[in-house]
Amino acid sequence: GAVVSQHPSWVICKSGTSVKIECRSLDFQATTMFWYRQFPKQSLMLMATSNEGSKATYEQGVEKDKFLINHASLTLSTLTVTSAHPEDSSFYICSASMDSSYNSPLHFGNGTRLTVT
Amino acid sequence: QKEVEQNSGPLSVPEGAIASLNCTYSDRGSQSFFWYRQYSGKSPELIMFIYSNGDKEDGRFTAQLNKASQYVSLLIRDSQPSDSATYLCASPSGGYQKVTFGTGTKLQVIP
Repeated sequence: GAVVSQHPSWVICKSGTSVKIECRSLDFQATTMFWYRQFPKQSLMLMATSNEGSKATYEQGVEKDKFLINHASLTLSTLTVTSAHPEDSSFYICSASMDSSYNSPLHFGNGTRLTVT
Repeated sequence: QKEVEQNSGPLSVPEGAIASLNCTYSDRGSQSFFWYRQYSGKSPELIMFIYSNGDKEDGRFTAQLNKASQYVSLLIRDSQPSDSATYLCASPSGGYQKVTFGTGTKLQVIP
């Protein structure tokens, strides 16, 4: 159980274009999903918390107008990188847990490697 | 001070040895801890979680939690080259589902 699917696994786009990344919980419902970003040789950095049916909560320093998050159902959250630039090139990973208890671990999607040329 | 701290390594151990990975945390209210393994270019995968003081064993892995000293460790017995990866320590903060990750310890198992 607790399978999180992320698509696409990699994408190359031109500077100035937008890219949408999908995150799905396949065998459980997730009222909350989390989007992380990881640059080479660095740790995971939480970008935002995606809440089903309400606005996402962004971490300090993350531009909400640039990284649009939509959590329209209990099994799907999307992250859209708008007007992408080369510095947005990174590994984006979504995650979710099966419930909100303190001992419920996060399960991660396989990640999306974004390269902006 | 980071909420969860790890030595970045690399930690090198010979094949068959015990690898010991350590993590300290600053929030005394933290109740649970997760260990993830991340291969290069891949997303993290859950290895173990622990929320009670003491040891928890699962196959070749043993997690140890000492709340009084605020550290948590992961022991890998009979280390294999396939265990070579970065190991991330994590704990919920700011709400149970908001997880803070350490920077990770890179483990190298030498054949």
